[in-house]
Amino acid sequence: AQSVSQHNHHVILSEAASLELGCNYSYGGTVNLFWYVQYPGQHLQLLLKYFSGDPLVKGIKGFEAEFIKSKFSFNLRKPSVQWSDTAEYFCAVNARNAGNMLTFGGGTRLMVKP
Amino acid sequence: EADIYQTPRYLVIGTGKKITLECSQTMGHDKMYWYQQDPGMELHLIHYSYGVNSTEKGDLSSESTVSRIRTEHFPLTLESARPSHTSQYLCASSQGQGGYNEQFFGPGTRLTVL
Repeated sequence: AQSVSQHNHHVILSEAASLELGCNYSYGGTVNLFWYVQYPGQHLQLLLKYFSGDPLVKGIKGFEAEFIKSKFSFNLRKPSVQWSDTAEYFCAVNARNAGNMLTFGGGTRLMVKP
Repeated sequence: EADIYQTPRYLVIGTGKKITLECSQTMGHDKMYWYQQDPGMELHLIHYSYGVNSTEKGDLSSESTVSRIRTEHFPLTLESARPSHTSQYLCASSQGQGGYNEQFFGPGTRLTVL
């Protein structure tokens, strides 16, 4: 069974700092990859996803993620964070032979100081 | 507005009680899911459904049961609640074949069993 690791559980940044959140998965086959975000008091929502093509994908609100197949990684990045990016971020993986099932990482809680 | 709803949002209940957590979606999605999430931890899939009269158990063993009699409704039932059931329960839905389709999440039900 696949697993997903998010190494940073809590990240605190100042506004305008650059962000990179790590995500590694363990599965040797073809995968679809997702980042979800949960803003305080709101539902989990999709930030971006990758399933084929250009390994650098762009999502909403200036976020992007890069799929590096050789490293089994799908790190999330943003060049300059804002206070409104304070949220919890979840990486998720779907193994192509697992139907619609998603395996989630443990989440990273980001706090951006104004 | 198309959305996914969960009720109640918060529930505190005594041991041994029977409870049903409601989940409804107005998006016409065929697939629905229940996840369990402990604070600061991963989301774990406990049940899913690919359509009416279809239900399957997820990766995480759960004493709960589900039903899917109507497309839009996917309730989760605990026959006899225990303190170990204390957790957050998230409902989600998606449409179409393939794991690259976005899952849409409800606001969650935070359950506390005393």
